[in-house]
Amino acid sequence: GENVEQHPSTLSVQEGDSAVIKCTYSDSASNYFPWYKQELGKGPQLIIDIRSNVGEKKDQRIAVTLNKTAKHFSLHITETQPEDSAVYFCAASSHGSSNTGKLIFGQGTTLQVKP
Amino acid sequence: DAGVIQSPRHEVTEMGQEVTLRCKPISGHDYLFWYRQTMMRGLELLIYFNNNVPIDDSGMPEDRFSAKMPNASFSTLKIQPSEPRDSAVYFCASRDRGRDTQYFGPGTRLTVL
Repeated sequence: GENVEQHPSTLSVQEGDSAVIKCTYSDSASNYFPWYKQELGKGPQLIIDIRSNVGEKKDQRIAVTLNKTAKHFSLHITETQPEDSAVYFCAASSHGSSNTGKLIFGQGTTLQVKP
Repeated sequence: DAGVIQSPRHEVTEMGQEVTLRCKPISGHDYLFWYRQTMMRGLELLIYFNNNVPIDDSGMPEDRFSAKMPNASFSTLKIQPSEPRDSAVYFCASRDRGRDTQYFGPGTRLTVL
């Protein structure tokens, strides 16, 4: 089955700096890669996602890149702000006619943005 | 829409007691997922339903765990009997068949003493 590895487990940056979180996956059939942000005491919330037919996607200060050959994808946050502090999870799944998109999550990265 | 609703938000019980967690998915969503989150194992998928039918329960840890979805707007996850190692945050999520995004509820923090 699918296995997703996420690094680093913790990341501390100064406000205004960039943050990068990386994930690798094992199943070449995976074609959907979402990123979730989880704040303390809340459920994970989708912040950005990418499909395997796209190499990069950007939404304001956040972007995701995908390298299908190497089976890894990354989350980039620019101009970080204190409110970006949270736990971030990557996930992978395979969407198609024969499956229902079970998400396999990475272990999570705790991001701390220091004012 | 109010989003995915879970109850209770917190549950403290003693070992051996029965625990029932509840979930109301987003209206119109036909997939429902139950996850467990712990520090050691992260976010694990326990079971998911499609149109109220359980499709994959391979993540259910043991027979003490059971889940039902009697209708499109309600699901339960039951643990009987509960054990201290079941202490975790349990999330419910739902998804529309035509979309990729899973929407998570706020979770139920379960503590088994």
